[in-house]
Amino acid sequence: AQKITQTQPGMFVQEKEAVTLDCTYDTSDQSYGLFWYKQPSSGEMIFLIYQGSYDEQNATEGRYSLNFQKARKSANLVISASQLGDSAMYFCAMSYPNTGNQFYFGTGTSLTVIP
Amino acid sequence: ETGVTQTPRHLVMGMTNKKSLKCEQHLGHNAMYWYKQSAKKPLELMFVYSLEERVENNSVPSRFSPECPNSSHLFLHLHTLQPEDSALYLCASSQGPGDMYEQYFGPGTRLTVT
Repeated sequence: AQKITQTQPGMFVQEKEAVTLDCTYDTSDQSYGLFWYKQPSSGEMIFLIYQGSYDEQNATEGRYSLNFQKARKSANLVISASQLGDSAMYFCAMSYPNTGNQFYFGTGTSLTVIP
Repeated sequence: ETGVTQTPRHLVMGMTNKKSLKCEQHLGHNAMYWYKQSAKKPLELMFVYSLEERVENNSVPSRFSPECPNSSHLFLHLHTLQPEDSALYLCASSQGPGDMYEQYFGPGTRLTVT
């Protein structure tokens, strides 16, 4: 069964606007980690932000914030003040501490920032 | 120096060839990973190494053979591949496998099997 779901295959946002990329997950475990990665056309996966399941506050890293709603099992990424360089694929991932830190990735969302 | 490097960046090989992919991490991490990324599919974890010992092997065909000679280097040996093995192969490392550390990825090797 798919553990991570990203329902938006493609998104467009105007430069300088904010955008939300959706991610829902499926688990019965209490302890897990949620991650977002950015993959430009060059192929490298770039770590953006991390949220632990026990963290009470939403994670923030610069222009990135994670809207964590544990009861709804969602971990949406919010990018504020979009820039042209934000155009890329974005992947949500989840890890379990008892599986050798195995990551489960979603299928990704392609974000295009329009000038 | 770039945290995780991979060579070659592009590889074209026939089905009867033998080749190897190389990954090196300069982050002092203890765990390394191989992933396969095919078009329109989620990243698939292939192998996990912790302190040079394999801890995960997700039913990967035997035509893929990993090797981890030390905590900084990881290889993926390829032989008698199939066209469906064409994909982007990503290497990653993390501080450890037993905790929820972020993984740092290399730029990948784009493999084409003809």
